[in-house]
Amino acid sequence: AQKVTQAQTEISVVEKEDVTLDCVYETRDTTYYLFWYKQPPSGELVFLIRRNSFDEQNEISGRYSWNFQKSTSSFNFTITASQVVDSAVYFCALGNTNAGKSTFGDGTTLTVKP
Amino acid sequence: DAGVTQSPTHLIKTRGQHVTLRCSPISGHKSVSWYQQVLGQGPQFIFQYYEKEERGRGNFPDRFSARQFPNYSSELNVNALLLGDSALYLCASSFTSPEQGAKLFFGSGTQLSVL
Repeated sequence: AQKVTQAQTEISVVEKEDVTLDCVYETRDTTYYLFWYKQPPSGELVFLIRRNSFDEQNEISGRYSWNFQKSTSSFNFTITASQVVDSAVYFCALGNTNAGKSTFGDGTTLTVKP
Repeated sequence: DAGVTQSPTHLIKTRGQHVTLRCSPISGHKSVSWYQQVLGQGPQFIFQYYEKEERGRGNFPDRFSARQFPNYSSELNVNALLLGDSALYLCASSFTSPEQGAKLFFGSGTQLSVL
């Protein structure tokens, strides 16, 4: 069975602070995909990033960066210089080769205060 | 281009009734997935269709059913509604086949309240 754990239920930061959202996953699959999605108050989940299990290279995309460590089954997501518009619920998700069946964590509510 | 559209946006039903939720994927997307999101939790997988065939089913009772039409739109049906079915129902579409790790594009969901 697959499982995604986001231990941080809520995080509150002041604008311009950096913030890291933690994600730990469990799977028996050797090939899988990891995702981060953002859910603003409107309810529509928005895709942010995707990583496959064979690519542990960590990247930076604008203010977003992620740290994928297969050895610890973690896929953490960092927002640098946070902005009020970053306030949302962030979900980490794990998909096997049938990625339509993604398993989501329970989300981390990020509040960025001005 | 239009994103994933879902209808209706809100729905109120009473216990025992039946409900049909509709989803139109992004043009060109052949895969549609349905998720249930209870308040305070992450989305839970219900069904996935690709090229009009069911490719996956989550741990939901037989009261839940779905289908995908030739134009790739989809319906989710729930019979004999229970109070616990109250949730946000999300539809997601993707362009490539599920096995390719396709990223999902979500609609805004249908908020179902069962009284």
